Amino acid sequence: GENVEQHPSTLSVQEGDSAVIKCTYSDSASNYFPWYKQELGKRPQLIIDIRSNVGEKKDQRIAVTLNKTAKHFSLHITETQPEDSAVYFCAVPQGPGSGGTSYGKLTFGQGTILTVHP
Amino acid sequence: DTEVTQTPKHLVMGMTNKKSLKCEQHMGHRAMYWYKQKAKKPPELMFVYSYEKLSINESVPSRFSPECPNSSLLNLHLHALQPEDSALYLCASSTPPGQGAEPQHFGDGTRLSIL
Repeated sequence: GENVEQHPSTLSVQEGDSAVIKCTYSDSASNYFPWYKQELGKRPQLIIDIRSNVGEKKDQRIAVTLNKTAKHFSLHITETQPEDSAVYFCAVPQGPGSGGTSYGKLTFGQGTILTVHP
Repeated sequence: DTEVTQTPKHLVMGMTNKKSLKCEQHMGHRAMYWYKQKAKKPPELMFVYSYEKLSINESVPSRFSPECPNSSLLNLHLHALQPEDSALYLCASSTPPGQGAEPQHFGDGTRLSIL
């Protein structure tokens, strides 16, 4: 199965600073990489995702970069704000090597608790 | 806006009770998922339905019984649960995985407590 490692487990920054969270994965056949934000007591919310045919994707203050050779992808948040404080999860789907039946299976990283201090 | 709706939001039940969790989506998605999330942990996949058929069961105990009556609804029937089953149960939906995974959208979850 897929092995996903996420670092750091906690991240504390001052408002306006940048934050970077990194995930590594094991299955080289994986081709889709989402990031979720989960605020306390709320649902995981998809904030950005990237497919393996591109190396970077940006949406306002959020960007994701992908290095397929090294099997890692990172979430970048610029100009952080207190409302960015949450738990962030990366996820990796089961790749096509399993015959296609496990495409719906997402394996999540252990999460990063981001705290943005005003 | 939450496009995946789960009811109830909270549920407290005894170990001998039978209850059901419900999930509904109207995004035209044909894949639906149940996840279990313990505090300070990531969601863990339990079941996947694709075109109303069960496609993945992650070796979940039989006291959890999923059901997909139609393309918009997903139920999770609960019976004889244990205290360690207390958790947040999340439903998600997506377009069915084709040659790769598709974005999954989560509901707000049902917070379940077993007495």
